[in-house]
Amino acid sequence: AQSVAQPEDQVNVAEGNPLTVKCTYSVSGNPYLFWYVQYPNRGLQFLLKYITGDNLVKGSYGFEAEFNKSQTSYHLKKPSALVSDSALYFCAVRYSLEGANNLFFGTGTRLTVIP
Amino acid sequence: DVKVTQSSRYLVKRTGEKVFLECVQDMDHENMFWYRQDPGLGLRLIYFSYDVKMKEKGDIPEGYSVSREKKERFSLILESASTNQTSMYLCASNPRSYNEQFFGPGTRLTVL
Repeated sequence: AQSVAQPEDQVNVAEGNPLTVKCTYSVSGNPYLFWYVQYPNRGLQFLLKYITGDNLVKGSYGFEAEFNKSQTSYHLKKPSALVSDSALYFCAVRYSLEGANNLFFGTGTRLTVIP
Repeated sequence: DVKVTQSSRYLVKRTGEKVFLECVQDMDHENMFWYRQDPGLGLRLIYFSYDVKMKEKGDIPEGYSVSREKKERFSLILESASTNQTSMYLCASNPRSYNEQFFGPGTRLTVL
């Protein structure tokens, strides 16, 4: 069975500092991993994905994620946080359903960037 | 750009009412999904559809039904709303065999 875990409900970081939002996964076979962001009163927006290839994936708005197979992790990172990065972040893993690919989501991590 | 729209941003209903949540996508996607989002629980799949008139149960289908009469529209129905169905409801879509999903803005439903 597939699952993802986001061990931190809340992450606080000072503006300009690097940020990391953690995600670990459990899946049979090769993992397809995703990060989404949700701003207040909005739907989820896709940030980046790992399917295959380079372990460091670069995505939108300066975010990147590092896939680590030995640690079964897919942490989201950004070198310099902005106040506007404050949002709810979800990690997800793909799994197959009848006729469709679906995503299993973690419980979310609320990132607050402090000015 | 892909656009997924949901009929209401906020909705307040009374216990026992029948509630319809509508979702429309404009990109001819085969797959559509309904999730509910609750604090500390993340997103949980209620139902999904991979074609017109086709529907499959997700992880928490109890108390809900769906309808997909046209490819672009996927409706979530609460036959008799209960207070434990107070939640944020998110619709998503994607093309067949695609990986990412595209989400609507969500409907925050309160059942009194």
